[in-house]
Amino acid sequence: NAGVTQTPKFRILKIGQSMTLQCTQDMNHNYMYWYRQDPGMGLKLIYYSVGAGITDKGEVPNGYNVSRSTTEDFPLRLELAAPSQTSVYFCASTQGIGTEAFFGQGTRLTVV
Amino acid sequence: AQSVTQPDIHITVSEGASLELRCNYSYGATPYLFWYVQSPGQGLQLLLKYFSGDTLVQGIKGFEAEFKRSQSSFNLRKPSVHWSDAAEYFCAVASGGSYIPTFGRGTSLIVHP
Repeated sequence: NAGVTQTPKFRILKIGQSMTLQCTQDMNHNYMYWYRQDPGMGLKLIYYSVGAGITDKGEVPNGYNVSRSTTEDFPLRLELAAPSQTSVYFCASTQGIGTEAFFGQGTRLTVV
Repeated sequence: AQSVTQPDIHITVSEGASLELRCNYSYGATPYLFWYVQSPGQGLQLLLKYFSGDTLVQGIKGFEAEFKRSQSSFNLRKPSVHWSDAAEYFCAVASGGSYIPTFGRGTSLIVHP
């Protein structure tokens, strides 16, 4: 089982560029999440999804967009990259309420 | 809204010494509680979880945690730390009304030989 797979692992963007962080899971989980991790700040929720076609904002959604066309995939889009978006991004999924979260390996993004 | 507090940013212990990492949560009813570990450059891995029942739960790698309702705490313990335990540890909560895991800011464990 691959679990949760994120690509790319590393990326450098210039200010104003756009990119998509890919996330796919093969566990048939309905719930998927995007978090960003900054030093000493823990994980902050960006967006989440409870199933295909349903997404909602988390704690820090500004500057990001998501879509969920299938159960497996939950891409995160950065439209106009800013230095404040320099961070490590994690995609995660859960089977249901109160269940274990499975994480991808993370994407380290630097905006210069 | 649910929240998690990990008061210690860094903890330094000697190899072989005991360890306790603190976690306090804010939620009226009993939430689902988790501890995760993150090794450098890796995603988070579940150490243990508490839903109900016995308030002392055992996890992987020799870790345990105790749920104390009166103190709203879920502290992580290990009797003897190994150098390989050096990592970032996150406490998380998912309350009954929300399936969304909320994480604390993490505690960085440093192990001295």
